[in-house]
Amino acid sequence: DQQVKQNSPSLSVQEGRISILNCDYTNSMFDYFLWYKKYPAEGPTFLISISSIKDKNEDGRFTVFLNKSAKHLSLHIVPSQPGDSAVYFCAASPSTSGTYKYIFGTGTRLKVLA
Amino acid sequence: EAGVVQSPRYKIIEKKQPVAFWCNPISGHNTLYWYRQNLGQGPELLIRYENEEAVDDSQLPKDRFSAERLKGVDSTLKIQPAELGDSAVYLCASSLWGRNSPLHFGNGTRLTVT
Repeated sequence: DQQVKQNSPSLSVQEGRISILNCDYTNSMFDYFLWYKKYPAEGPTFLISISSIKDKNEDGRFTVFLNKSAKHLSLHIVPSQPGDSAVYFCAASPSTSGTYKYIFGTGTRLKVLA
Repeated sequence: EAGVVQSPRYKIIEKKQPVAFWCNPISGHNTLYWYRQNLGQGPELLIRYENEEAVDDSQLPKDRFSAERLKGVDSTLKIQPAELGDSAVYLCASSLWGRNSPLHFGNGTRLTVT
């Protein structure tokens, strides 16, 4: 049972345009969400996070939107650059009394075309 | 700050052989995770430590996998005996304790079992 779903395995975008990566989740107990970027032969790198008390978080070219009623979040990259080409994972965690248990989606491979 | 360090980067073994992976987390990070990532999938949690205590090992195949985190710092993950299906990337991550603490991953160990 996939609790975090990234239904688009790949996405191609022209340099300078917006990249939109989507993620859906099923567990209503999830209240903290993260996006990671992964280059080949490297570990995932943390990009941006959002708590369920917010519906938007912005960090430079990266913005994450959260729609709790739809159990959907998206990552917007504006403008997209060739160096953004990587696999992007979303992750979600239910609140617990301590640290988090993160559940990852299967990833979306983004290719930014020069 | 130095990142999460894992070794070895690559390991090729024959089935039924033992193998061990080592992880040194970011200094001061109380929480340590071992994830396994199969090809085309997102990372899946194997075990989570808070200091030296394994607080979540529900996903660890305990008949062949073992882990330890001595003195609450470095950790080792062992497989004995390895099976063909264990071929994957084994990722170690660490985080500060508490809410809104993203995971920081190492570059992983790619295991190939022949």
